[in-house]
Amino acid sequence: NAGVTQTPKFQVLKTGQSMTLQCAQDMNHNSMYWYRQDPGMGLRLIYYSASEGTTDKGEVPNGYNVSRLNKREFSLRLESAAPSQTSVYFCASLFSGVGQPQHFGDGTRLSIL
Amino acid sequence: AQKVTQAQTEISVVEKEDVTLDCVYETRDTTYYLFWYKQPPSGELVFLIRRNSFDEQNEISGRYSWNFQKSTSSFNFTITASQVVDSAVYFCALRRSFGNEKLTFGTGTRLTIIP
Repeated sequence: NAGVTQTPKFQVLKTGQSMTLQCAQDMNHNSMYWYRQDPGMGLRLIYYSASEGTTDKGEVPNGYNVSRLNKREFSLRLESAAPSQTSVYFCASLFSGVGQPQHFGDGTRLSIL
Repeated sequence: AQKVTQAQTEISVVEKEDVTLDCVYETRDTTYYLFWYKQPPSGELVFLIRRNSFDEQNEISGRYSWNFQKSTSSFNFTITASQVVDSAVYFCALRRSFGNEKLTFGTGTRLTIIP
């Protein structure tokens, strides 16, 4: 059972480089989310997609873009990476409307030098 | 706006002791869900429990128990007879029962069980 798969698991970038974090789920969930986790701050929502074809900003969207490629895949793009984007990124998915918990991927640890 | 407060940043206890992790939340919604997640040193997030705001019954699952008190907006988590494998960061989270269903997380409590 794959669940939510994130790639890559680790990445080091230089300031100004671009990168796309990939997320795919095989649970037929309609909603997908991107969070970032910083020390002492818990997880904060970057963007979410309530259904295929829709995306909305979360709490900390600046510097990021997202694409809901299809029902399974939700990617997060950093167009011009900055050191402040050094973080651990988690993707999550959910079958909405029935009170189920979000299922999380294992995270992507991203360092911007 | 929703808010979750986990005032205990770090807790250390000796193995086999009981430990309670506190969670206080704020919301204007009348219906909502509360969650606890565990993040072990390996980094993944493990779902532990979901509680509907309508259901104030306490829940026990093995050595874990949860005390939900709507009157004080608290959803505390107790580990009985702690074990080294319980060492992790624990997050409390809040979610609306309608709308975009995004999670609002607390800042987490790092629990260390000393053998």
